[in-house]
Amino acid sequence: QVQLVQSGAEVKKPGASVKVSCRASGYTFTAYYMHWVRQAPGQGLEWMGRINPNNGVTNFAQKFQGWVTMTRDTSISTAYMELSRLKSDDTAMYFCARGFSNWYSDLWGRGTLVTVSS
Amino acid sequence: QSALTQPPSASGSPGQSVTISCTGTSSDVGGYNYVSWYQQHPGKAPKLMISEVSKRPSGVPDRFSGSKSGNTASLTVSGLQAEDEADYYCSSYAGSNNLVFGTGTKVTVL
Repeated sequence: QVQLVQSGAEVKKPGASVKVSCRASGYTFTAYYMHWVRQAPGQGLEWMGRINPNNGVTNFAQKFQGWVTMTRDTSISTAYMELSRLKSDDTAMYFCARGFSNWYSDLWGRGTLVTVSS
Repeated sequence: QSALTQPPSASGSPGQSVTISCTGTSSDVGGYNYVSWYQQHPGKAPKLMISEVSKRPSGVPDRFSGSKSGNTASLTVSGLQAEDEADYYCSSYAGSNNLVFGTGTKVTVL
């Protein structure tokens, strides 16, 4: 079954880091990009960046450069997104999405809710 | 990178058509044919409806169509059905390996 399975919800304190995982199944993990998109409560979608699982090359939205890390483990077909120095407005649903070179995503994970609260 | 501009809301009666605009600049929408549209129901992940301006993925009803003119892309939903009520987002490649989403439009079926 072609799917992306994300890790469970997280609650973090301000200043902490969070690492979200996204396990791919049913397709060749290294053949597609993996994008990360977040959505704050009641807000729109925000592109964070992407990783090429084949070679680990990453691209980030300017806002997230130096602040987010994207990695992958090809042995277990899993992509990771780590966000550091968390603030309350980082509270959001974080989605991973399989991406094509023409900048669209046809397969999305269900999302991981990250709550930042003291 | 600024978000693409979409109208906050749109509505239509069952069977009617609704068109959603997505306005950017020559650096994103106008510069590339990499505009996509996503449908998102409450509490769900987005679903790809249109890629590359006007390509409809397998399984998406042909009631959904996309187009682009200059710096504005559009999604038209013909023959509105109750299940089309959702939020819709456009996205566009913005150069330098960047992607930008639209502000989102809530479609209501009256």
